[in-house]
Amino acid sequence: GNSVTQMEGPVTLSEEAFLTINCTYTATGYPSLFWYVQYPGEGLQLLLKATKADDKGSNKGFEATYRKETTSFHLEKGSVQVSDSAVYFCALILYTGRRALTFGSGTRLQVQP
Amino acid sequence: GAVVSQHPSRVICKSGTSVKIECRSLDFQATTMFWYRQFPKQSLMLMATSNEGSKATYEQGVEKDKFLINHASLTLSTLTVTSAHPEDSSFYICSARGESYEQYFGPGTRLTVT
Repeated sequence: GNSVTQMEGPVTLSEEAFLTINCTYTATGYPSLFWYVQYPGEGLQLLLKATKADDKGSNKGFEATYRKETTSFHLEKGSVQVSDSAVYFCALILYTGRRALTFGSGTRLQVQP
Repeated sequence: GAVVSQHPSRVICKSGTSVKIECRSLDFQATTMFWYRQFPKQSLMLMATSNEGSKATYEQGVEKDKFLINHASLTLSTLTVTSAHPEDSSFYICSARGESYEQYFGPGTRLTVT
């Protein structure tokens, strides 16, 4: 089956630190990959996505590269801000069948001033 | 971007009663809606997929008689938790997908069964 594995949190960083949140996946086909962010009290928002190998998704200073050889999609940001504190979910989708997202367990990021 | 709303945002009910949660796509037509359940500090678990005008497809282990899903129009899906019990307390999230295949998520509904 399909699955997504994320590093466990919480991840606690100081403002302006470098962020990496690891994500690896297994899939029965060729998935598209996503990072979603959930701010406190809000719904999930799409942060970035990549649809094929070596694609780099980027948004708001975050980026992730689709690595087919390592089945990974690690999220990075060069300089985090307090406002980045949220829960980050890695997810995949296969455009066959019911086309439903499969989520990782989520990683909570806490950025301290 | 597209907006999906959920109502209510929070609900407390007594054990044995039923609760209905609404999910609406406000500015697009959603051919497919998904219902997820999120336990504390855990991921979203897909409960069911519903297509407008047809019966929902439930994931393995989800009781279809307990979690009734109706997708009567292209902008509205409802989840009814019947005969709720404390173990049904959770955060329920819907998402809606239009023609672009991108999913848009609602803000979630926190259900507490006492």
